[in-house]
Amino acid sequence: RKEVEQDPGPFNVPEGATVAFNCTYSNSASQSFFWYRQDCRKEPKLLMSVYSSGNEDGRFTAQLNRASQYISLLIRDSKLSDSATYLCVVNMGGYQKVTFGTGTKLQVIP
Amino acid sequence: GAVVSQHPSRVICKSGTSVKIECRSLDFQATTMFWYRQFPKQSLMLMATSNEGSKATYEQGVEKDKFLINHASLTLSTLTVTSAHPEDSSFYICSAPDGGLAGESYEQYFGPGTRLTVT
Repeated sequence: RKEVEQDPGPFNVPEGATVAFNCTYSNSASQSFFWYRQDCRKEPKLLMSVYSSGNEDGRFTAQLNRASQYISLLIRDSKLSDSATYLCVVNMGGYQKVTFGTGTKLQVIP
Repeated sequence: GAVVSQHPSRVICKSGTSVKIECRSLDFQATTMFWYRQFPKQSLMLMATSNEGSKATYEQGVEKDKFLINHASLTLSTLTVTSAHPEDSSFYICSAPDGGLAGESYEQYFGPGTRLTVT
């Protein structure tokens, strides 16, 4: 089983739609979690950290379920500019290495 | 936010030559940096962990004699691809975690990447 698993997609959704991505992780000792966005041929950029209590940033909501070991990202009112690959990232804590999911590709269609 | 730079952004080299890629943390100190490789349409794969003042830690399957890592200072790590071959052509990215206090989540700041093409 992979350490971090994501549905690779692609998810093709119309503008204005709501879309959700899930990510599962295998190591129950994982401590911190992030969603990154990667545009084609660019480096990943942090979208948001994921906290146990859940957190929201505008149209984006991230949630963490430690019991089931999964993380979710919800995007509301999708924009064309949201088209990208979304990477789930898990960190064991401190300066330890992070583990990336394979990424979920989102394509928002006019 | 913290900034990480990489140089060069693009490099084309001939098979058999060596290429050095630099990763710098511009406004913070990084005792640890990470090097990744990304092939087209694939996710980032961690190659190695670069540790300031000590040897790098390589992931399984990554040849340490081929991918030389030197973390000479708290702001600079270099990756040298030795005797490069066409199959080494890839997008190489570095990252550095920035966090102030123990126990905090360490966000990874990524360099802009280096696209290596070996002909």
